Amino acid sequence: EDQVTQSPEALRLQEGESSSLNCSYTVSGLRGLFWYRQDPGKGPEFLFTLYSAGEEKEKERLKATLTKKESFLHITAPKPEDSATYLCAVLTGANNLFFGTGTRLTVIP
Amino acid sequence: EAEVAQSPRYKITEKSQAVAFWCDPISGHATLYWYRQILGQGPELLVQFQDESVVDDSQLPKDRFSAERLKGVDSTLKIQPAELGDSAMYLCASSPRLTPVDTQYFGPGTRLTVL
Repeated sequence: EDQVTQSPEALRLQEGESSSLNCSYTVSGLRGLFWYRQDPGKGPEFLFTLYSAGEEKEKERLKATLTKKESFLHITAPKPEDSATYLCAVLTGANNLFFGTGTRLTVIP
Repeated sequence: EAEVAQSPRYKITEKSQAVAFWCDPISGHATLYWYRQILGQGPELLVQFQDESVVDDSQLPKDRFSAERLKGVDSTLKIQPAELGDSAMYLCASSPRLTPVDTQYFGPGTRLTVL
């Protein structure tokens, strides 16, 4: 059965305190892994797509990496405006997109 | 920058009433998706269109939910009758083509509250 698990559920960081969010997956035939950011009451905002193990992508303070079993979203020197829920989603060989439940990040000034 | 439009942004209704949500995808995007997101969870696909045709509606509760995209552009999702458990955020997304790794771009969502 296809499964996506994100951890931790919630994370509180001091401004400037770097950390990582985890997305582990068990899917049949991974076609791509997506990271989205979602602010309260809004739709998810696309961040990255990763296609194969070993791939890395960066955007400002965010860096996403992918292995055969999990993906990490590294946040370097976060700022309060990085506070949001970060969603991971995997696209399976059957062309189905499965989302995790997200990690709620709070960055304290 | 082109965006997915949704309306209304908020809807409050009583159970057993009918509700409808509207979505206008990014211009030129062939594929349109409707998702439901319960508070604290990730979005779950309800229905997927390629142009005006339904590609996947296996998770759509067809006894009360219906969706259409008559001209292959904008789309309407309807619930009749609404139930308390339908309270959620309804998200629309679009992507350029129906390819396996095409990025989906989401609209702002419609927050439905059923009383």
